[in-house]
Amino acid sequence: KQEVTQIPAALSVPEGENLVLNCSFTDSAIYNLQWFRQDPGKGLTSLLLIQSSQREQTSGRLNASLDKSSGRSTLYIAASQPGDSATYLCAVTNYGQNFVFGPGTRLSVLP
Amino acid sequence: DGGITQSPKYLFRKEGQNVTLSCEQNLNHDAMYWYRQDPGQGLRLIYYSQIVNDFQKGDIAEGYSVSREKKESFPLTVTSAQKNPTAFYLCASSIPGGSYGYTFGSGTRLTVV
Repeated sequence: KQEVTQIPAALSVPEGENLVLNCSFTDSAIYNLQWFRQDPGKGLTSLLLIQSSQREQTSGRLNASLDKSSGRSTLYIAASQPGDSATYLCAVTNYGQNFVFGPGTRLSVLP
Repeated sequence: DGGITQSPKYLFRKEGQNVTLSCEQNLNHDAMYWYRQDPGQGLRLIYYSQIVNDFQKGDIAEGYSVSREKKESFPLTVTSAQKNPTAFYLCASSIPGGSYGYTFGSGTRLTVV
């Protein structure tokens, strides 16, 4: 059964820092990996989707990489801003299966 | 614009009542999902549907029921059998297999009073 973990559980950084969020999964035969952002009391907003044949995806200041062999993905946020403060979740799916979600990393960017 | 609409945003349930949460999408997605989110925990799958008139139980289906009579709609009923229903409920949709990922609604917060 696929399990997803995220480290750290919480992170606090000063504005302007570059930071990395980590996601690990136990079954490396994944089909897709998706990173989401969740603001308090809100739904999930999709940030990046990496399909199994891809190694990374970029959107603005965000870059997500995927290493299937090691069962890891990282979300890199460049030049962090207070508006980046949110919980970041990763989710993976194996072929024909539903997405399995990690518990999230709660990020605080201090002005 | 295409998206998923969940209503109501806040819902209060008395002991012994059934309540229904609405989820409507205009993305033309075949698959729809219901998740429950509790503080400090990840998302847990309640029910999902890959096609109209068909649905399957997820990991925590006890005390919940769903229907899928239309492609656009996937309502969730929280029955009186659900002993701890206070939580944040999220609806999502995708094309079958999730090749392009999931799209989520804004959620419904259910509180037992």
